[in-house]
Amino acid sequence: EPEVTQTPSHQVTQMGQEVILRCVPISNHLYFYWYRQILGQKVEFLVSFYNNEISEKSEIFDDQFSVERPDGSNFTLKIRSTKLEDSAMYFCASSPNRGVQPQHFGDGTRLSIL
Amino acid sequence: SQQGEEDPQALSIQEGENATMNCSYKTSINNLQWYRQNSGRGLVHLILIRSNEREKHSGRLRVTLDTSKKSSSLLITASRAADTASYFCATTFQGGSEKLVFGKGTKLTVNP
Repeated sequence: EPEVTQTPSHQVTQMGQEVILRCVPISNHLYFYWYRQILGQKVEFLVSFYNNEISEKSEIFDDQFSVERPDGSNFTLKIRSTKLEDSAMYFCASSPNRGVQPQHFGDGTRLSIL
Repeated sequence: SQQGEEDPQALSIQEGENATMNCSYKTSINNLQWYRQNSGRGLVHLILIRSNEREKHSGRLRVTLDTSKKSSSLLITASRAADTASYFCATTFQGGSEKLVFGKGTKLTVNP
């Protein structure tokens, strides 16, 4: 069964550094998402991406965050200058199209900011 | 907040017993989904129920939806030790947004 894959599985970064989290969505999916889960808390929506542009973003997704689909397969989340509170599990998800659920999730990248 | 709480927060049962988890929400939904998360892993989609449906089955899973009470329940029958995981409900809301809004989840432990 097709899967969403995320790399790396664990990323350790110094505060203030830039980090890029990578995702390969399911190949025929058109709608992409990033979510995060701080340890012990709810999974929170960050951003959705469709037709090469941001479709929706949350208050969390401020100017320090950006997303890109640099080629036909990858979908990336960049955090420009990481803060301690960015430490979390980051999940990528994809769905076939607008209005088509469910969303399929990757295994996540655990981001640890020191 | 659009999403309420799931209850219980934690549930411990013996293998073979049934497990029931509940989820509440606050505003009108398009659909409600249940996901499972093994410790430290990703979210696995279990079942989706649309706002015009009242009950859905998938194997040992049964989901009900009561839109008048804005609540849903997930029943796992004949539980197995391998069902040990956290279970989350997630909703998409009317108004065109595709984002999922998650509850805090129920941590289920099935003892062999």
